Amino acid sequence: EIVMTQSPATLSVSPGARATLSCRASQSVAANLAWYQQKPGQPPRLLIYGASTRATGFPARFSGSGSGTEFTLTISSLQSEDVAVYYCQHYNNWPPGEITFGPGTKVDIK
Amino acid sequence: QVQLVQSRAEMMQPGASVKVSCKASGYPFRNYCISWVRQAPGQGLVWMGWISGYNGNTNYAQKFQDRVTLTTDTSTSTVYMELRSLRSDDTAVYYCARDLRSGTYNPFDFWGQGTLVTVSS
Repeated sequence: EIVMTQSPATLSVSPGARATLSCRASQSVAANLAWYQQKPGQPPRLLIYGASTRATGFPARFSGSGSGTEFTLTISSLQSEDVAVYYCQHYNNWPPGEITFGPGTKVDIK
Repeated sequence: QVQLVQSRAEMMQPGASVKVSCKASGYPFRNYCISWVRQAPGQGLVWMGWISGYNGNTNYAQKFQDRVTLTTDTSTSTVYMELRSLRSDDTAVYYCARDLRSGTYNPFDFWGQGTLVTVSS
């Protein structure tokens, strides 16, 4: 099983400042990496897939990068509506088996 | 528009089984896989398994392999998740989620609203 780790666990950012979230895979997942945004009481929402492709409905201040084992989600100018927990997920088909999520990073306003 | 509508919250006794449904609409059901993901209170997301809408093939997470069964009813475009031998630590919100693309091993672009399953004596 590929283990996903995320850092930091909690990130406090001033409005308008940059937020940088990290995700690491225990072995290469190529670019088969997604990010999800989850707000309280709601299901997760697909934010980024293919490591860097922004999903429908998200503004350009969200961007993803990385490949292999190291990935980054950047929010270029944090807005109040971006307060949420962000999860990374690999969906690599090798080795065959499980899809796994990281433990999440909680982003809040400083 | 794509919708996944899940069944209502359930209160279960330890040792019992629960079956949660997920009715899909707005897309060709057979073209996509559906996964189940659970989230215990205050905790993260855990993938449980997926099922193909095309042929019913399944892939389960090792953690749940002995206790979970996913099935489909293509006549009603509904996916079912049955979890057996329930324990208190199975208390969670259970989500169904559709793959972004046809095939397997994809991210999930549409999610159900979630079904809270509470296991308590």
